[in-house]
Amino acid sequence: ELKVEQNPLFLSMQEGKNYTIYCNYSTTSDRLYWYRQDPGKSLESLFVLLSNGAVKQEGRLMASLDTKARLSTLHITAAVHDLSATYFCAVDMDSNYQLIWGAGTKLIIKP
Amino acid sequence: EPEVTQTPSHQVTQMGQEVILRCVPISNHLYFYWYRQILGQKVEFLVSFYNNEISEKSEIFDDQFSVERPDGSNFTLKIRSTKLEDSAMYFCASSERTVFGDEQFFGPGTRLTVL
Repeated sequence: ELKVEQNPLFLSMQEGKNYTIYCNYSTTSDRLYWYRQDPGKSLESLFVLLSNGAVKQEGRLMASLDTKARLSTLHITAAVHDLSATYFCAVDMDSNYQLIWGAGTKLIIKP
Repeated sequence: EPEVTQTPSHQVTQMGQEVILRCVPISNHLYFYWYRQILGQKVEFLVSFYNNEISEKSEIFDDQFSVERPDGSNFTLKIRSTKLEDSAMYFCASSERTVFGDEQFFGPGTRLTVL
């Protein structure tokens, strides 16, 4: 059974700081997705990571994938308040494209 | 920009009643999904649908649930006899599923409240 674990589950940080969210998964997969969810809102696709060593950046967010370590990271650089949200990673079951989701990391960035 | 739409945004029903949640996927997408999210918890996969049939379903998707694409644009989730524990946010998603992966685009959700 594929399990996806995120940590931390909750993160409160100051604007301007850097931090990393980790996403570990339990079986082989080379497709991983990061989504953002604002309170009471839907899920917004941030990054699609498709191979070992993939790195993608958008603004202050950078995501990477290490399929050998079964680990993805979402790095936040010089955080700003607008990045406050819950971030989910989701891993693609190779055989059937079923997304298995992490529990989410609730990120609060204080001015 | 094309988007997934869902109706209603909020549905309140009595336990034991049937509900139908509606979704209009992005028009050129061929793969459709339903997920649910109990308040404050993780997103849970319910079912995927392709070529007018279910591709995969989770353990949550029992006989109380069914999906249908009745008219080529709508994609519906029916819960036959709702239980209190069915109260959640239900998200529809659609994707193209290319060699570049399966980036799924989500609708705004339907909040289902079972009383």
